[in-house]
Amino acid sequence: AQSVTQLGSHVSVSEGALVLLRCNYSSSVPPYLFWYVQYPNQGLQLLLKYTSAATLVKGINGFEAEFKKSETSFHLTKPSAHMSDAAEYFCAVREGNNDMRFGAGTRLTVKP
Amino acid sequence: GAGVSQTPSNKVTEKGKYVELRCDPISGHTALYWYRQSLGQGPEFLIYFQGTGAADDSGLPNDRFFAVRPEGSVSTLKIQRTERGDSAVYLCASSSRQGRSNEQFFGPGTRLTVL
Repeated sequence: AQSVTQLGSHVSVSEGALVLLRCNYSSSVPPYLFWYVQYPNQGLQLLLKYTSAATLVKGINGFEAEFKKSETSFHLTKPSAHMSDAAEYFCAVREGNNDMRFGAGTRLTVKP
Repeated sequence: GAGVSQTPSNKVTEKGKYVELRCDPISGHTALYWYRQSLGQGPEFLIYFQGTGAADDSGLPNDRFFAVRPEGSVSTLKIQRTERGDSAVYLCASSSRQGRSNEQFFGPGTRLTVL
């Protein structure tokens, strides 16, 4: 069965600082992995996805994530945080065609 | 172009009542998904449609929950005899085809409150 664990329900960084949001997965088959962002009162928006090609994946808004099979991780990073990055971030894993399993989410706060 | 829309945006009902939540997917998208997001949690899969048929309803919590997509476009999630524990944000997503690499586009959700 597939599952995702996001370490840290809240992360706070200063504007311009590195953003690191952690995600570990469990999957019985080679996984497809996703990061979504959710702004208040809006739907989830795809940031990036890993689909068994390059292990370092670049997404929108300057975010990237690296798939590390040995660590079963897919951490999300951004070199320099911006105020507009404040939102809820969800990591998700998908084994089959149907469902996506989401983590509990990490709320990112960016301090001026 | 229009994204996924969901109506109503908010629904308040009393315990024991029946509710219907509507999802309009992106035009031409054949795959449609329903999720439930409880407070402080990530979305939880409920049901998946490919065209008109429910290809996977393994996430529906019990038989009070039912969903339809009669013409392969709009979908309705139906909840009978609502309970306070059903309070959550119900999310709908669609994608252009099935396949696990395909992006799901999410609507803004319907916030259901059962009093």
